[in-house]
Amino acid sequence: NAGVTQTPKFRILKIGQSMTLQCTQDMNHNYMYWYRQDPGMGLKLIYYSVGAGITDKGEVPNGYNVSRSTTEDFPLRLELAAPSQTSVYFCASSRDRGHNSPLHFGNGTRLTVT
Amino acid sequence: AQRVTQPEKLLSVFKGAPVELKCNYSYSGSPELFWYVQYSRQRLQLLLRHISRESIKGFTADLNKGETSFHLKKPFAQEEDSAMYYCALTSYGYYGNNRLAFGKGNQVVVIP
Repeated sequence: NAGVTQTPKFRILKIGQSMTLQCTQDMNHNYMYWYRQDPGMGLKLIYYSVGAGITDKGEVPNGYNVSRSTTEDFPLRLELAAPSQTSVYFCASSRDRGHNSPLHFGNGTRLTVT
Repeated sequence: AQRVTQPEKLLSVFKGAPVELKCNYSYSGSPELFWYVQYSRQRLQLLLRHISRESIKGFTADLNKGETSFHLKKPFAQEEDSAMYYCALTSYGYYGNNRLAFGKGNQVVVIP
């Protein structure tokens, strides 16, 4: 299994541009998540999904959108990039809720908005 | 709301010395706590979870509900322990899903 795969690894955007961060998992996990990691700030949840067709906002959803049309894919969309969205983005998945289902993370996407 | 506090950003220890990473939490429900680790150029991965009461790579962590703590300990640090460590707390959202709140992380540097 490849686990959780994120693309691209790096991206530089200009203010106002849009882009989609791709995330796919091959573990048939129901739950998927997008986090952003800012220096010295830990990880903050942007959006999550408990299954295909169901998404919900996390802690910091403003400026982002997601969709979950399949179990495998959970893309994150930035419509109008802003410098405040410069961060490292991590996608993760888990089989279920609770202590028996740890999160599996992708390698991250480093995004710079200038 | 849940909150996880890791007070020290950077911890430098000599090889063979004990290492302790502090984690305190606040949560009104029954907590489920984890330690995640990110080695250089690797993805974030689970190190251990309180429910398992296990020792992984020599690390242990005991949940102390009275002190609302879940400190990570290892008696003898090794160079390969140099990494970023995150304490995390599970909470349950509207759909009862597994949502983790992360602390800000501890950068551990083991000096040879």
